[in-house]
Amino acid sequence: GNSVTQMEGPVTLSEEAFLTINCTYTATGYPSLFWYVQYPGEGLQLLLKATKADDKGSNKGFEATYRKETTSFHLEKGSVQVSDSAVYFCALSVPWSTGNQFYFGTGTSLTVIP
Amino acid sequence: GAVVSQHPSRVICKSGTSVKIECRSLDFQATTMFWYRQFPKQSLMLMATSNEGSKATYEQGVEKDKFLINHASLTLSTLTVTSAHPEDSSFYICSASSSPGWGNTIYFGEGSWLTVV
Repeated sequence: GNSVTQMEGPVTLSEEAFLTINCTYTATGYPSLFWYVQYPGEGLQLLLKATKADDKGSNKGFEATYRKETTSFHLEKGSVQVSDSAVYFCALSVPWSTGNQFYFGTGTSLTVIP
Repeated sequence: GAVVSQHPSRVICKSGTSVKIECRSLDFQATTMFWYRQFPKQSLMLMATSNEGSKATYEQGVEKDKFLINHASLTLSTLTVTSAHPEDSSFYICSASSSPGWGNTIYFGEGSWLTVV
């Protein structure tokens, strides 16, 4: 089956600290991998994605590399800001005939303090 | 860019009543939309896949008679929670993709907070 296991939170960091949120997956076939972010009071937003092994997705200083050998897609950022405080979801998608079916991790709440 | 709009964003209803949540793709046609729910501190869970013009496909454990899904057009899917109970209180969110295939961006609605009192 398909599933995503994500590092549990909450995570609290000081501004400019290094961030890692671990994500591993199990999937049949070759999924695409995603990180979504949900800011307080808002809907989910795509943060970055990778569609094949060894691809690196990046956006807003965040990065994640699709590691097939370790079935992982860890999210990293070198220097977090207060504005990065949000809930982060790791997800994988497998193709459906007319769309993409997603499986999400539990979400990791990040709070960045000044 | 493509936008998916969900309405209402928050709704409070009395136990035993029904409530409808709409999911619209604003600038693209979505043959398939997906409905998820999220319990506090838990993951988003896929409830059902909504296919335009046909019956929805429900995930195991989801009561199809309680969570009615209608996908009447290529831009609108609705989720109706029938005879709602407090345990149905949750965050419901829909998603849609403008095209099928590997890794295509999927867009999410803003989500709907349902509180049953």
